[in-house]
Amino acid sequence: NAGVTQTPKFQVLKTGQSMTLQCAQDMNHEYMSWYRQDPGMGLRLIHYSVGAGITDQGEVPNGYNVSRSTTEDFPLRLLSAAPSQTSVYFCASSYLRGGLLFEQYFGPGTRLTVT
Amino acid sequence: AQSVTQPDIHITVSEGASLELRCNYSYGATPYLFWYVQSPGQGLQLLLKYFSGDTLVQGIKGFEAEFKRSQSSFNLRKPSVHWSDAAEYFCAEEGRIKAAGNKLTFGGGTRVLVKP
Repeated sequence: NAGVTQTPKFQVLKTGQSMTLQCAQDMNHEYMSWYRQDPGMGLRLIHYSVGAGITDQGEVPNGYNVSRSTTEDFPLRLLSAAPSQTSVYFCASSYLRGGLLFEQYFGPGTRLTVT
Repeated sequence: AQSVTQPDIHITVSEGASLELRCNYSYGATPYLFWYVQSPGQGLQLLLKYFSGDTLVQGIKGFEAEFKRSQSSFNLRKPSVHWSDAAEYFCAEEGRIKAAGNKLTFGGGTRVLVKP
């Protein structure tokens, strides 16, 4: 199993550009999520999904879109990049057991810089 | 609102010495708690989790954590630190954000430096 994979590893964007961060998992997990990590703030949830066709907003969703057309893939779209979106982005997936996140597996991250 | 606090931003410890990382949570009569480790440039790896039962939880890499409801704490410990334990450690609590959704709330992290 490859686990959770993310591409690209690094990206530099100019303000106003759009792009998609890719995330895929091969563990047949129902739950997938995107976090951003900023110094001293831990990880904050952007969007999550509990299954194909079902997505919802997390704590910091503004400026980001997601879709979940398959169980395996959960891309994150930046609509119009802003310097405030400079961060490290992590995708994670998990089984749900009785509605609980059993164990989240994290991807290696994408380091995004917006100039 | 749910919050997780890790009071120590940095800890320096000598190799072979013991390590304790503090975590306080603020939400839930029955919290679901996790500790993750992040090595430089890597994603997060789960060390251990507490859902219920025995309040002393064993994890991977020789780590353990103790849940204390009276203190709203879930501190992580290791009796003897190895140089490879230098990393950033995150405490997290699971909570509901909506009727059909769960999330993890993370603390700000504690960076551990290991002196030879």
